[in-house]
Amino acid sequence: QSVLTQPPSVSAAPGQKVAISCSAINFDNGNYYVSWYQEVPGSAPKLLIYEDNLRPSGIPDRFSGSKSGRSATLDITGLQTGDEATYYCGTWYSGVNAGFRFGGGTKLTVL
Amino acid sequence: VKLVESGGDLVQPGRSLRLSCVASGFSFEDYAIHWVREVPGKGLEWVSGISWSSEKIGYGGSVKGRFIISRDNAKKSVSLQLNSVTSEDTGLYFCIKDLAGELSSLTGFDVWGQGTTVTVS
Repeated sequence: QSVLTQPPSVSAAPGQKVAISCSAINFDNGNYYVSWYQEVPGSAPKLLIYEDNLRPSGIPDRFSGSKSGRSATLDITGLQTGDEATYYCGTWYSGVNAGFRFGGGTKLTVL
Repeated sequence: VKLVESGGDLVQPGRSLRLSCVASGFSFEDYAIHWVREVPGKGLEWVSGISWSSEKIGYGGSVKGRFIISRDNAKKSVSLQLNSVTSEDTGLYFCIKDLAGELSSLTGFDVWGQGTTVTVS
């Protein structure tokens, strides 16, 4: 079964940097792009990064994405208390049982 | 740019329910549309997606064979028919606009509705 694995939680102090990883397990399709979403309690998720490292308009450059091999990373610099949220990675899986896969989500706590 | 869902309700196990999503503010006919559900404590789960032309349709493994997605570009709307529901289908269902027109590796979700709640009990 193809899955995306994220750490359940990360934490850092305001002003610091944090990295959230997303590992693709059993993804046998060649090209795939990772997107990242931020979900603040009480609000719908918001797109932060698409196609591995592109930011939609309005997303500050404190948020950046990268990918190497089967692992993607969301970096957040200059942490603010408003960044406290759950972050999900996701990608389209084009193998057997094709469909979109989300990671399990990472809860970011800004201490 | 807006997506508004409706149709969520309390429904008994084994019954059916139809969710609707109406779009505004963008060229609806150019983009794929998806449904994603969220169960508290369990995260996000992709339920279904439909390409701009309705030629390509996909379903998540847990709903395949029970749910049916459709769209009407003239009415700028998408529907999700939920059949033979179980308690596992309880959740907040989001209607979402894709960045692309097809279901593909470029899929990403840039506009989300506020969601409609389905409770199976």
